[in-house]
Order: sequence, then structure tokens, then C-alpha cells
Amino acid sequence: AQSVTQLDSHVSVSEGTPVLLRCNYSSSYSPSLFWYVQHPNKGLQLLLKYTSAATLVKGINGFEAEFKKSETSFHLTKPSAHMSDAAEYFCVVSEAGGGNKLTFGTGTQLKVEL
Amino acid sequence: NAGVTQTPKFRVLKTGQSMTLLCAQDMNHEYMYWYRQDPGMGLRLIHYSVGEGTTAKGEVPDGYNVSRLKKQNFLLGLESAAPSQTSVYFCASNDSPGHREKLFFGSGTQLSVL
Repeated sequence: AQSVTQLDSHVSVSEGTPVLLRCNYSSSYSPSLFWYVQHPNKGLQLLLKYTSAATLVKGINGFEAEFKKSETSFHLTKPSAHMSDAAEYFCVVSEAGGGNKLTFGTGTQLKVEL
Repeated sequence: NAGVTQTPKFRVLKTGQSMTLLCAQDMNHEYMYWYRQDPGMGLRLIHYSVGEGTTAKGEVPDGYNVSRLKKQNFLLGLESAAPSQTSVYFCASNDSPGHREKLFFGSGTQLSVL
């Protein structure tokens, strides 16, 4: 069985400071991991994905995430936050043997202040 | 550049009423999905389709029916709406099994059942 835990429901940062959104996963098989972003009143948009290639994954808008198997983590980071980064972020896991099943985390709301 | 289009964007129903949500994609994708999003729960899969004329149950299928008569359209029906079905509904599509490839999402339908 697969599961994903987003450790913070809300994160607040100042513009220009680093962003860290934490995600831990549980999977019985080799997982694929994704981060999606949802801006207000919009659908979800893929930020980046890990599918057993390089453990450090670079995504759009300067975001990146590192797959750490020993820690079962896939934290999302960005060196310098921008006001436009304010949104909700979802960590998603899928197992190789899981068919079409994706498991979404409960989301982290990122607030960026001036 | 329409991508995935959902109609309607908002709807209010009374308990027991029926309605159909329409999802249309213009990317020639084989796979289409219906999710519901509830506060603090992430997205949960209702039903999905792996091609024209096929449908399958997801994680929370009770109270919903779907049809995929045309490849580009995926309809979600509520035969007798209940307050527990108040939610935001998202349609998504992609061109390979969901566990490895990015999903393209519509902008959502906000449904309230009174």
C-alpha cells in the first residue's frame, strides 16, 4: 500500500527567502513521485516528477526536489520565493504495481509575504 | 490551446436532484479521470477511463456514474445528489497510465448540494 504525508498544512515565508515544503512517502514498490501546484480557482499543474532516474529533480519556476530513499522523503525546495509562488502544493505518489492509482497528499498552503 | 475543459464551473443542487458534469479534452488522450477535492483530504479518484467505451471505479465511486462514449469526452453523473457530494470536482487526462505520466487538469467544478 502507498501513502504520502505532507508534514505542514501551511507554510509562510518572506519574498526572497528559501522555500521548503516537506513530503514523506510510503511505498511497497519503486515509487514515482510528483509535486503539483494549484493556484486559486485553477486546476493542478505538474511542477516536477521523479521516476527512478536522477534523485535530484528540477522542475518549473525554479523548484526542485530530492528523492531520498533512506529517509522516504521527497521535499520540495526553491532558493528564493516570489509572490507568484503563493499557492497550494500537493505531493503525489504512485507505485509501479499500482495501476492507475495515484495517492495525493493533503496539501501545503504556501503564503509569501513582502 | 484549450486542454481540458469542464462545464459547468459552479452549480447548486437540492438533495435528490440529478446532474451531469462534462469534461472535454482536445489532446487526443486515451486516459481520463474524475477526482473530487475536499478540504484537508487531497484529491480522491472517483472513476476513470482507459479509452473510448471503457470506465472503471476509483477510490470513491459510490453515488456517481460515468460514461465515455467519445474519446474526447468523459461525463460524470450524479443520479440523486446528497450533501456529502458537496465538493470541487476535477477532470484530468493523460496519454499513458496515470502512475508515471503527468496529468492535465481542468479548472474544476464547484458543486454545492443543499
